[in-house]
Amino acid sequence: DGGITQSPKYLFRKEGQNVTLSCEQNLNHDAMYWYRQDPGQGLRLIYYSQIVNDFQKGDIAEGYSVSREKKESFPLTVTSAQKNPTAFYLCASRHISGAGDTQYFGPGTRLTVL
Amino acid sequence: GENVEQHPSTLSVQEGDSAVIKCTYSDSASNYFPWYKQELGKRPQLIIDIRSNVGEKKDQRIAVTLNKTAKHFSLHITETQPEDSAVYFCAASTGFKTIFGAGTRLFVKA
Repeated sequence: DGGITQSPKYLFRKEGQNVTLSCEQNLNHDAMYWYRQDPGQGLRLIYYSQIVNDFQKGDIAEGYSVSREKKESFPLTVTSAQKNPTAFYLCASRHISGAGDTQYFGPGTRLTVL
Repeated sequence: GENVEQHPSTLSVQEGDSAVIKCTYSDSASNYFPWYKQELGKRPQLIIDIRSNVGEKKDQRIAVTLNKTAKHFSLHITETQPEDSAVYFCAASTGFKTIFGAGTRLFVKA
């Protein structure tokens, strides 16, 4: 999982602003995922992408947007439409064929709305 | 929708004792069950996994069991150590989508 990076580590946003969280992987993984984690809770799926230029909504996609222009990159934009964006955001990636279904996580971005 | 229930939410054990965390899944198409350990403020790390064609798997002090009929799977940690203190997540995967349990916070008292 050392091949997945997220930036920034901490991010502060004013209400009404859009912010973009970066996720990059050099593992040559096909699939990439974004999860949201709230204190004391599990991981909830925001968006996922299996191939370049294609992505699907997860369970809590409202107020978020993504793009997958390159295999190694899957940025997440938190828009002003997301009413409660303060959370820990985790990006993950997975190799679809061959070794199995294991998802490997990035170090996370902690977003705080001021 | 599909979900994974995880129990208990908090578990406190004495160093050297065993710890057991149990999960139940609803999607019968699930065929892969990973367990992750997450330390405070850090990323979840895979500690063990099991596939639906296997009933039990062991890796040193950690073991996982799977009962497909009952849709139950469990994590067993023996001879617990203070460094085992963390949040543990179970998950059930059908391939592209993975559903996570809510997590168990394990405290190992020295």
